[in-house]
Amino acid sequence: EAGVTQSPTHLIKTRGQQATLRCSPISGHTSVYWYQQALGLGLQFLLWYDEGEERNRGNFPPRFSGRQFPNYSSELNVNALELEDSALYLCASSTKRVEQFFGPGTRLTVL
Amino acid sequence: GESVGLHLPTLSVQEGDNSIINCAYSNSASDYFIWYKQESGKGPQFIIDIRSNMDKRQGQRVTVLLNKTVKHLSLQIAATQPGDSAVYFCAETLRSGTYKYIFGTGTRLKVLA
Repeated sequence: EAGVTQSPTHLIKTRGQQATLRCSPISGHTSVYWYQQALGLGLQFLLWYDEGEERNRGNFPPRFSGRQFPNYSSELNVNALELEDSALYLCASSTKRVEQFFGPGTRLTVL
Repeated sequence: GESVGLHLPTLSVQEGDNSIINCAYSNSASDYFIWYKQESGKGPQFIIDIRSNMDKRQGQRVTVLLNKTVKHLSLQIAATQPGDSAVYFCAETLRSGTYKYIFGTGTRLKVLA
């Protein structure tokens, strides 16, 4: 069974640009979660999508947004990039069983 | 964002010894707890979970202990191996709620040969 996949693996942008990160959940999983992991820090919850709807978001500004498609894949968009947005962005998927399975992450570097 | 702490504590253990990694969780209403292992450059990998109606659960070489009175969780790794070197995170959530995970700071485990 394929795990959670994320693309791209690495992304380099400059300040003010927009970044789009993608996530494909495990087949059969309807929930997708996004987390930010800055260097040396723990995982901070960003967004939760379930059945195509945004269900919850963490304490991040509105320039962090996303969506979930009918096939349950998801996209995270970060507008007006700032240097401090440089981090590993992790996507996780789950069913209603709660256990979340993580992808390998996208390393975003903002120059 | 919600996270606990800024610095990553490190635990150094001799190969073959047992490791104990501790975690204090924040929400007394949390009823599901998970331990994840994250190797360098990879996403977190599920190790073991425990529900709040239990105080101990065992897996292969790992045991999780839950003390709800003091809101404390621990992960015990038996006969630690070099492949156990990683950062370990605990996470808490409320199963009947948003399923949002709150992650602890993380502990770096270094296995010494």
